[in-house]
Amino acid sequence: ETGVTQSPTHLIKTRGQQVTLRCSSQSGHNTVSWYQQALGQGPQFIFQYYREEENGRGNFPPRFSGLQFPNYSSELNVNALELDDSALYLCASSTGQNGYTFGSGTRLTVV
Amino acid sequence: KQEVTQIPAALSVPEGENLVLNCSFTDSAIYNLQWFRQDPGKGLTSLLLIQSSQREQTSGRLNASLDKSSGRSTLYIAASQPGDSATYLCAGSKAAGNKLTFGGGTRVLVKP
Repeated sequence: ETGVTQSPTHLIKTRGQQVTLRCSSQSGHNTVSWYQQALGQGPQFIFQYYREEENGRGNFPPRFSGLQFPNYSSELNVNALELDDSALYLCASSTGQNGYTFGSGTRLTVV
Repeated sequence: KQEVTQIPAALSVPEGENLVLNCSFTDSAIYNLQWFRQDPGKGLTSLLLIQSSQREQTSGRLNASLDKSSGRSTLYIAASQPGDSATYLCAGSKAAGNKLTFGGGTRVLVKP
């Protein structure tokens, strides 16, 4: 059974650019969530997808958007990057019943 | 709105001592409570999941309890080892398949 895999592991972008982060969910998991974790803080919920539909969103602006594909993998897109977007981005998958499995994260640095 | 708090923010103990990590939440309508471990710069590793009908879960040296009426969960780590040094995060969800709301974490250092 494969776990949750995220790519890339590290990324450096310039303010104003756009970025796409990718996540492959654990086999059999149809729910994918994305979280942003600033240094020294707990993760903050960005949004969640269930069977390709967004079914929950946190307090993030519309320039944060996402997709879930038929194989339940997912993308997080961030437009017009700001310095405060620098963080660890975590993807988690679930069947909806048995808790969440997290990936290793993507470290995004905006300069 | 659910808020989750973890106190203390940091903890340092000598090797062999038992660890007690606290997690409190404001909304008792919690469905699942999950404890995670995070090593510096890494993702989250799930340690224990307490589901809605349960009050306790155990795995090896780890034991987690959940008291919904008082809004508290406690993670016990017996006979701590230097390898237990990490940040421990608790997170709750309001319903099956709902988002997780995280505490700020407790950073643990176990000294040899």
